[in-house]
Order: sequence, then C-alpha cells, then structure tokens
Amino acid sequence: GAVVSQHPSWVICKSGTSVKIECRSLDFQATTMFWYRQFPKQSLMLMATSNEGSKATYEQGVEKDKFLINHASLTLSTLTVTSAHPEDSSFYICSAPSSGGFTDTQYFGPGTRLTVL
Amino acid sequence: GNSVTQMEGPVTLSEEAFLTINCTYTATGYPSLFWYVQYPGEGLQLLLKATKADDKGSNKGFEATYRKETTSFHLEKGSVQVSDSAVYFCALSRGKLTFGTGTQLKVEL
Repeated sequence: GAVVSQHPSWVICKSGTSVKIECRSLDFQATTMFWYRQFPKQSLMLMATSNEGSKATYEQGVEKDKFLINHASLTLSTLTVTSAHPEDSSFYICSAPSSGGFTDTQYFGPGTRLTVL
Repeated sequence: GNSVTQMEGPVTLSEEAFLTINCTYTATGYPSLFWYVQYPGEGLQLLLKATKADDKGSNKGFEATYRKETTSFHLEKGSVQVSDSAVYFCALSRGKLTFGTGTQLKVEL
C-alpha cells in the first residue's frame, strides 16, 4: 500500500522556538495533504489542508500564522509550528490520499510527537 | 455538520471474546465510512471501509456493515486476540475525514 513518512518522529524544543515537521508521500504523488493534531486520549482534529501550488486551507480556530504550511512539491508538505509554547505540545499527524486527488482513502504518516518545554 | 459518535472506552475483554464497538454518524448525503486502528506508538492504519449502504467492510477478522437506516457502522470481531489491543477510530468522509473520539480496546489473556 501507499506509504507516508514523517520526520522527525519526536522533537523536544524550548518555548519560543520554531519547529518544522515534514510529511512525505514515498511512492505516490499527492497534490493534497492533510494535517491533524491529536491530544492524549482524544480524536484527531483536522488543522489544515495542504495544497501543492497554492495556499493551505485552515480549519476554523487554527491560527495560520502559528502553524505555517508549505506544500513544496507533489511529495512533500511541511508544518512549521512558530514560536512554540507548551500548549502546542501534541501529536501531529499528516495524511495523503493515494490517488493524488481528493478521494476517500487516506494514508497516514506515523505522527510526530512535539514536546515544548 | 458531519459528526461521528462512538462508544467510550476503555473496553477490556478476555482473549477469544466477542467484540462490538458501536459507531453512529450524522452526515449530509452518503458518506464513506471507515474504521482506523492505532497501535501503541504508531500512526493510524486503515482497518476497513464501506462506501455505500449495506456494504460490509472486512479485514483481519473485523467486520462492519454500513447501515443507512440506523446511520451506524458498528465494528465486530468474533474472537479477539491480545494483539488486537489498540485504539479504534470510526470515521466518515465527505471529502475530508471526520473522526470519532476513539475507543481503546484492551485484550487480556
């Protein structure tokens, strides 16, 4: 099946610094990728839709200046958490539809655990 | 809007017990329905899906049937194993995925 990778798998940073998380589709192209946030023992919350060649679409309540998304190529999307604070500590997950378009089947990355001290 | 409701956990079962995790949904139109599984320390994996009413998704002994009349997609397995211990998420798709809150399953010997 389709494979999506994320890097790093975990990161610890100091408050006020910025952290970049990469999401790659390894064996297929994805014009769209999705970024989720998962709090402990809770469900995934969709943060934004990353679109290759255009601006990301953010869900209501998600600060676009705080969570910068760049879809640099058909296989790479990055999420940068700017000026991170302890409340940004969470598990960040990306996904991509295997067909490259807007289909129903999503393939998920393994997630990135962010801890802000 | 779209929403998914699933039973709260944790659900604790003995090995070889029968499993049911309830899931109901609210959506406009006819969404696709999914069950995803998250093993400890790993990302989500698609377990099974159904794209239209009365479809049955199945995988690894798990089954779920798309019931339009009851807007449900309950997950079942006849005999669980310790290795099935994980968090199970019900989800629907109308383009974007909407997830339930997840149900933790613990299977003990």
